Amino acid sequence: AQSVTQLGSHVSVSEGALVLLRCNYSSSVPPYLFWYVQYPNQGLQLLLKYTTGATLVKGINGFEAEFKKSETSFHLTKPSAHMSDAAEYFCAVRQYGNKLVFGAGTILRVKS
Amino acid sequence: EPEVTQTPSHQVTQMGQEVILRCVPISNHLYFYWYRQILGQKVEFLVSFYNNEISEKSEIFDDQFSVERPDGSNFTLKIRSTKLEDSAMYFCASQTHNEQFFGPGTRLTVL
Repeated sequence: AQSVTQLGSHVSVSEGALVLLRCNYSSSVPPYLFWYVQYPNQGLQLLLKYTTGATLVKGINGFEAEFKKSETSFHLTKPSAHMSDAAEYFCAVRQYGNKLVFGAGTILRVKS
Repeated sequence: EPEVTQTPSHQVTQMGQEVILRCVPISNHLYFYWYRQILGQKVEFLVSFYNNEISEKSEIFDDQFSVERPDGSNFTLKIRSTKLEDSAMYFCASQTHNEQFFGPGTRLTVL
């Protein structure tokens, strides 16, 4: 069965510092991978997705992620954190069918 | 920009009561989903719906749950007899191509 592991339920960075949120997946076939962001009391907003093609994917708000098949990873990065990036981030995989399987989420805190 | 909407934003109900959560997907989308997120836990898939029928459902989606697309715009999730453990945030999503668009959620509180 497909699954997603997000390392670190909480990540804290200083404003302007690099953001790195880790995601590893299990899959027996090439997956589709997604990162969603959830701001307090709001729904899930798609940040970026990997389906096929280029393994480095750029998303909204300056975020990007790299699909590494050999490491079964899809880590999310942003070069310089902004206060508005504070939110919960979810990695998800879609393999068979259309349903998404989500990781447990990582809460990002940005310190001023 | 089109978006998925959900009503109500918060529903409080007594255990054993029926609730209907409503969603209006994006108009030209063909696949619809319900997910839920119990406080502090993962977002979990409940059911997917395509061509007016359920295409996939999870173990959570037992006989107490049903979905319906009663007209061309609404997509509803009914819980026939709510339990305390049904308390969660319920998200509706609709899909085009490879992207699912989520609504803001309905927070269901069962007392």
